[in-house]
Amino acid sequence: DAGVIQSPRHEVTEMGQEVTLRCKPISGHNSLFWYRQTMMRGLELLIYFNNNVPIDDSGMPEDRFSAKMPNASFSTLKIQPSEPRDSAVYFCASINRVGETQYFGPGTRLLVL
Amino acid sequence: QKEVEQNSGPLSVPEGAIASLNCTYSDRGSQSFFWYRQYSGKSPELIMSIYSNGDKEDGRFTAQLNKASQYVSLLIRDSQPSDSATYLCAVNRDNYGQNFVFGPGTRLSVLP
Repeated sequence: DAGVIQSPRHEVTEMGQEVTLRCKPISGHNSLFWYRQTMMRGLELLIYFNNNVPIDDSGMPEDRFSAKMPNASFSTLKIQPSEPRDSAVYFCASINRVGETQYFGPGTRLLVL
Repeated sequence: QKEVEQNSGPLSVPEGAIASLNCTYSDRGSQSFFWYRQYSGKSPELIMSIYSNGDKEDGRFTAQLNKASQYVSLLIRDSQPSDSATYLCAVNRDNYGQNFVFGPGTRLSVLP
């Protein structure tokens, strides 16, 4: 199995630009999570989907952030417009069944100048 | 009070010693508890999961859970330099096992 796939692995952009992060979960996994990790705030859950439906987006910091999961094999996290404080590592994770472990992707390192 | 708390470290232990990592959580309804290891620049990977009070052993790792005290710990026996990493405690907050909260992590350094 290829594991959770994220792209791009690194992204450098300027303030005000739109950023789109992509995630392909492990085949057969029915829940997908987006996290953000910074030194100051640690690993924060932004949103999670179950069977492609957003279940809890209370961690999404503000309206500039949006996430979609149009099908079981693809999800996006979009930031528009981006700001320097959005600089972080964004992880995607997927899970097979309730209570089982999450498998994390390699992360996208985002730097907003 | 943060939902999941850990000592940030760094915790330094000599090679071969026992490393003890601690975690406390605030939500008494939490059902499942996890320890993840994260090497610098890498993604978190699961070390142990524990669901019931008591100890759970897996090789050199032992997880301990005390729900009454809202306390989870991870013991690493015969610590190796390759164990040097940040260890994240995670707690799921609901019965569906999908609402995870992570602690800030404890940085462990095993000295040769």
